[in-house]
Amino acid sequence: EVQLVESGGGLVQPGRSLKLSCLASGFTFSNYGMNWIRQAPGKGLEWVASISSSSSYIYYADTVKGRFTISRDNAKNTLYLQMTSLRSEDTALYYCARHRGLGADYFDYWGQGVMVTVSS
Amino acid sequence: DIVLTQSPALAVSLGQRATISCRASQSVSISRYNLMHWYQQKPGQQPKLLIYRASNLASGIPARFSGSGSGTDFTLTINPVQADDIATYYCQQSRESPPTFGGGTKLELK
Repeated sequence: EVQLVESGGGLVQPGRSLKLSCLASGFTFSNYGMNWIRQAPGKGLEWVASISSSSSYIYYADTVKGRFTISRDNAKNTLYLQMTSLRSEDTALYYCARHRGLGADYFDYWGQGVMVTVSS
Repeated sequence: DIVLTQSPALAVSLGQRATISCRASQSVSISRYNLMHWYQQKPGQQPKLLIYRASNLASGIPARFSGSGSGTDFTLTINPVQADDIATYYCQQSRESPPTFGGGTKLELK
């Protein structure tokens, strides 16, 4: 069974940093591209970042480019999101999701999400 | 970015057909591929893939869900609607980066 379990969220002050993790199991992690997708409270879904299976290709949404860094450790079956210079508008539930197809085509498995709250 | 437009809500009776639409600001089709996908999200849960590439049923999804469309206009159909289908439904395109989602359609009981 495919499982994605996020961790590392919490309450952080504006301008500070936070690192999210997503532990994958039930599939060969190193064969799949992975993503972070977020959902602000009561709002819709926003794709944040994508990383290919071997980390050769990395993409970011304009809203986080230069502040967030996606990475992965295939030996540890873990996806990361390093978030710096956090803003109130980054407050959201952050999901990790596996993608299929060419590039970030569609997202076939999602974690349960981890909450990040940016507030003073 | 490609903008996807969905109606905010749709009221339907149990046992009836629900048709949820998604319109893209530009074509999301390439050759024979229609790069539109659908997700279901119930309150307090993560999104679940229902339909990929417009009309392909994801693994484990009941056959009462179906998808159609091409170019800029796409439809998710649920027939017949069951109580367990009450949720918010999102479309998502992968024709261009960044991948974008519609605002979601909340399916409600009439």
